[in-house]
Amino acid sequence: AQSVTQLDSQVPVFEEAPVELRCNYSSSVSVYLFWYVQYPNQGLQLLLKYLSGSTLVKGINGFEAEFNKSQTSFHLRKPSVHISDTAEYFCAVRSISGNTPLVFGKGTRLSVIA
Amino acid sequence: DSGVTQTPKHLITATGQRVTLRCSPRSGDLSVYWYQQSLDQGLQFLIHYYNGEERAKGNILERFSAQQFPDLHSELNLSSLELGDSALYFCASSSTSGLGTDTQYFGPGTRLTVL
Repeated sequence: AQSVTQLDSQVPVFEEAPVELRCNYSSSVSVYLFWYVQYPNQGLQLLLKYLSGSTLVKGINGFEAEFNKSQTSFHLRKPSVHISDTAEYFCAVRSISGNTPLVFGKGTRLSVIA
Repeated sequence: DSGVTQTPKHLITATGQRVTLRCSPRSGDLSVYWYQQSLDQGLQFLIHYYNGEERAKGNILERFSAQQFPDLHSELNLSSLELGDSALYFCASSSTSGLGTDTQYFGPGTRLTVL
């Protein structure tokens, strides 16, 4: 079984400042890792995913995440945030063996302050 | 717009009632997943259908059931509703039968309020 811990439930940050949203996971098997974003009153949208290869993954809207196997982490970063980045961000994992569900963390609400 | 549609957007009903939520996947996608999002439980996987057949079950209550029809749309039926069933229900679709590398595309959700 897998579990995901998003260490911060809320992160306020000023516009144009950098941000890091933290995600740690636990799994007895190898996993793929995902970050999804949920804008107000919308469904979830995939930001990026780590499947294999380079541990630094670039996604949409200037976001990137780094997979650290030894620390079982997959933190999301952006060097300079915009007001439009205000949203809920979800980290998720899925077993590489397939046909298993996405397991989500509880989410981090990013609030960008002008 | 993900291409996944869900109806209705909002649903208000009373305890003990039964409701049906509908999902149309992206064109060409054969898999449909249902999730429940609540404040206390977060996003929980309910059930997965692939090309009309149930593939995986998560934390789905016995009062809940789902099916996927030949045209690939899916319905989630919730019966004997309780206050605690109030939540946002999402469906997601993907092109494969459930590969781990799959990207799931989420619909806008149905907000269910049980009074």
